[in-house]
Amino acid sequence: DAGVIQSPRHEVTEMGQEVTLRCKPISGHNSLFWYRQTMMRGLELLIYFNNNVPIDDSGMPEDRFSAKMPNASFSTLKIQPSEPRDSAVYFCASSAGLAGLREQYFGPGTRLTVT
Amino acid sequence: AQKITQTQPGMFVQEKEAVTLDCTYDTSDQSYGLFWYKQPSSGEMIFLIYQGSYDEQNATEGRYSLNFQKARKSANLVISASQLGDSAMYFCAMREGYGGATNKLIFGTGTLLAVQP
Repeated sequence: DAGVIQSPRHEVTEMGQEVTLRCKPISGHNSLFWYRQTMMRGLELLIYFNNNVPIDDSGMPEDRFSAKMPNASFSTLKIQPSEPRDSAVYFCASSAGLAGLREQYFGPGTRLTVT
Repeated sequence: AQKITQTQPGMFVQEKEAVTLDCTYDTSDQSYGLFWYKQPSSGEMIFLIYQGSYDEQNATEGRYSLNFQKARKSANLVISASQLGDSAMYFCAMREGYGGATNKLIFGTGTLLAVQP
């Protein structure tokens, strides 16, 4: 079975540009999570969806960040405009069961570099 | 206050030996879940093991076991018979509550394990 799919795997962009990260969760999973990993802050949850509905976006750093989940098999995380401090690895994860109580399965991550 | 504390930034272990990675947590919830993830140098996050707060027995998955001591609020990962491929960063995480808005995982800062031949 295919795991969580993320694209692109690497993204290099200039400050001020719009960046869109994409995620396809594992088929049948009803919860989807976006995380960011940096050396300074470690792994932090940005937002999560349950049955395509955003449940908790308290980790979204600011209005420059937005996330959507138009259907059960696709989600995007958009940064507009991007800044150098957004450079990080962005992970998407999905989980099954009751509101994702059990393990979350992570995608390979998107390494974002903003110059 | 830190919700998940991993006090060992780095650990060394000899191949074929067992190693324990420490994790303590802080929660006032009665229902919660504890997780361990492995992150090798390639960067992916790999789920290893899960322990629910109401599980009476310690979780085991192959060479991984979770030493769950509820009263001490600790959830240490034990890796038996270490292999070179176990060299990686290991993260402890906690989910508080039961569903709904409290579903997010909170991660510790990780422990970097190096297995020596």
